[in-house]
Amino acid sequence: GENVEQHPSTLSVQEGDSAVIKCTYSDSASNYFPWYKQELGKRPQLIIDIRSNVGEKKDQRIAVTLNKTAKHFSLHITETQPEDSAVYFCAAKRSGGGADGLTFGKGTHLIIQP
Amino acid sequence: GAGVSQSPRYKVAKRGQDVALRCDPISGHVSLFWYQQALGQGPEFLTYFQNEAQLDKSGLPSDRFFAERPEGSVSTLKIQRTQQEDSAVYLCASSPGASGYTGELFFGEGSRLTVL
Repeated sequence: GENVEQHPSTLSVQEGDSAVIKCTYSDSASNYFPWYKQELGKRPQLIIDIRSNVGEKKDQRIAVTLNKTAKHFSLHITETQPEDSAVYFCAAKRSGGGADGLTFGKGTHLIIQP
Repeated sequence: GAGVSQSPRYKVAKRGQDVALRCDPISGHVSLFWYQQALGQGPEFLTYFQNEAQLDKSGLPSDRFFAERPEGSVSTLKIQRTQQEDSAVYLCASSPGASGYTGELFFGEGSRLTVL
């Protein structure tokens, strides 16, 4: 089955600086890579996703890059703000084949220092 | 309702008790997932329903775990003879697409189970 590794487990950055979170996956058939943000005690919420037919996607201060050859993808947050503090999870999935569940990484606790 | 609703939000059980956790997905959503999230970890897949059919239960950790969605809407996750290692947040998620769909999962707030 799929295995997703996520690094770092904790990331502390100064407000206004950039943050980068990296994930690797094992199943070369995976073709969908979402990122979820989970605030303390809250539900995970999708912030951005990327499919295997593109290498990069951007949405305002958030971007995701995908390297299918190396089987890794990254989340980039620029101009970080206090409300970006949360746990971020990467995930991977392949369409079809009965593998309908997302496989999540263990999460990165992002701390924005004022 | 506007989102995925789960109940109870918090459940404390004595070891050996049976528990039932309920999920009310977004109306019309075909797919329903259950995940288990241990403290400080990412959600781990338990089982998947497409309408009333349970298409994947490969993530259920033991035969003490049972899930159903008899009418293709509300789902119940039942845990029999609870053990301390069952303590976790149980997340339900739904999506509008069928099996193979790649798109947003809409999560509930979760049910936090503590087994004493």
